[in-house]
Amino acid sequence: AQKITQTQPGMFVQEKEAVTLDCTYDTSDPSYGLFWYKQPSSGEMIFLIYQGSYDQQNATEGRYSLNFQKARKSANLVISASQLGDSAMYFCAMREFRRGYSSASKIIFGSGTRLSIRP
Amino acid sequence: EAQVTQNPRYLITVTGKKLTVTCSQNMNHEYMSWYRQDPGLGLRQIYYSMNVEVTDKGDVPEGYKVSRKEKRNFPLILESPSPNQTSLYFCASSPQGLAQETQYFGPGTRLLVL
Repeated sequence: AQKITQTQPGMFVQEKEAVTLDCTYDTSDPSYGLFWYKQPSSGEMIFLIYQGSYDQQNATEGRYSLNFQKARKSANLVISASQLGDSAMYFCAMREFRRGYSSASKIIFGSGTRLSIRP
Repeated sequence: EAQVTQNPRYLITVTGKKLTVTCSQNMNHEYMSWYRQDPGLGLRQIYYSMNVEVTDKGDVPEGYKVSRKEKRNFPLILESPSPNQTSLYFCASSPQGLAQETQYFGPGTRLLVL
């Protein structure tokens, strides 16, 4: 069964330090996308970064990078030089093709990691 | 402005009183989806729709109904709400429902069922 696991319910990090948020996934489909979203205390869901299952290089978006290890089925989010505004809930998600459909897709999320940045 | 809107943003109701949460997107997206978010469980997909008149169950469809009569609208219907449906609900859309597409989320609807 498809599954996303985030093993860190909460993390505290000192401002300006780098932080890695863990995400492992399980799927039998060869084609899938992995996403990270940020949810600040205001509640909205903000897209951060995407990694495709066939992408050869790790995705980067500004201070965000995705450490994609396909064989280990992990897609960890790395935030460099953390800022106070990075304090939020972070969700890892996977979007895969549903069997038998060429374009349908089901999406599953992990349980999230609450990141708190200390000044 | 490209966006997904949800109404209402906050709702308190009582057990058994039918309610509808509306969702609308102005990006001409084919794919729309509903999620509920509960502490410690992340977001769980309730229903999704690939196009008009095409809907399918997600992981937690029990107690919910949806319809997709127009491309832009995807309302979530609770025919007989129960307290275990108290949650934060998100509507989301994406262009075609492909694996590489990110979703655009609405602002969320906080529902309390007494």
